[in-house]
Amino acid sequence: GAGVSQSPSNKVTEKGKDVELRCDPISGHTALYWYRQSLGQGLEFLIYFQGNSAPDKSGLPSDRFSAERTGGSVSTLTIQRTQQEDSAVYLCASSLDWGAGTQYFGPGTRLLVL
Amino acid sequence: GIQVEQSPPDLILQEGANSTLRCNFSDSVNNLQWFHQNPWGQLINLFYIPSGTKQNGRLSATTVATERYSLLYISSSQTTDSGVYFCAVSGNAGKSTFGDGTTLTVKP
Repeated sequence: GAGVSQSPSNKVTEKGKDVELRCDPISGHTALYWYRQSLGQGLEFLIYFQGNSAPDKSGLPSDRFSAERTGGSVSTLTIQRTQQEDSAVYLCASSLDWGAGTQYFGPGTRLLVL
Repeated sequence: GIQVEQSPPDLILQEGANSTLRCNFSDSVNNLQWFHQNPWGQLINLFYIPSGTKQNGRLSATTVATERYSLLYISSSQTTDSGVYFCAVSGNAGKSTFGDGTTLTVKP
């Protein structure tokens, strides 16, 4: 596609449920990034992928968060046993290569945990 | 990790005025970008500028890497320029760090 797409655009879930957020990067972009933005806050880096591997997972807030990328393309961010503090906008970005070049952002997934 | 400070945190302008936003960072970087987050939350890339000067219409940016700062200039501001402006940097580790942003309000 022409840009980064994310789905779903909005997700409301109950505390304790698992959720999966999807990111489709720009075709040909080898690097993919996940961020979280809480209401009125800046962006918090979660994880990045170069190809299918994630060299640095230290930004993930807890072991309830995991992410994978397959085929060097689509990525899924999974949150297990969601908590109310997980409510935020989850943003995905991609770039041609890791650590350099322009990052292009998707529209985000707005997650609300009740 | 790299620390990023943006100033001012908030800025209110009258339409047509010029402004300068600043981004200071604590270590050498190999990637610096300026973004505009519009009122609908979409992040729009403005500049990829790890060093040097670039211009795009009414916007321009300068990064002085040796002194660890970058400036974003907005000239003849318009109401559509309102939103939050973020600076993001990354070093050799690849992790991107965003500043807290400058919230710009342009009044008609």
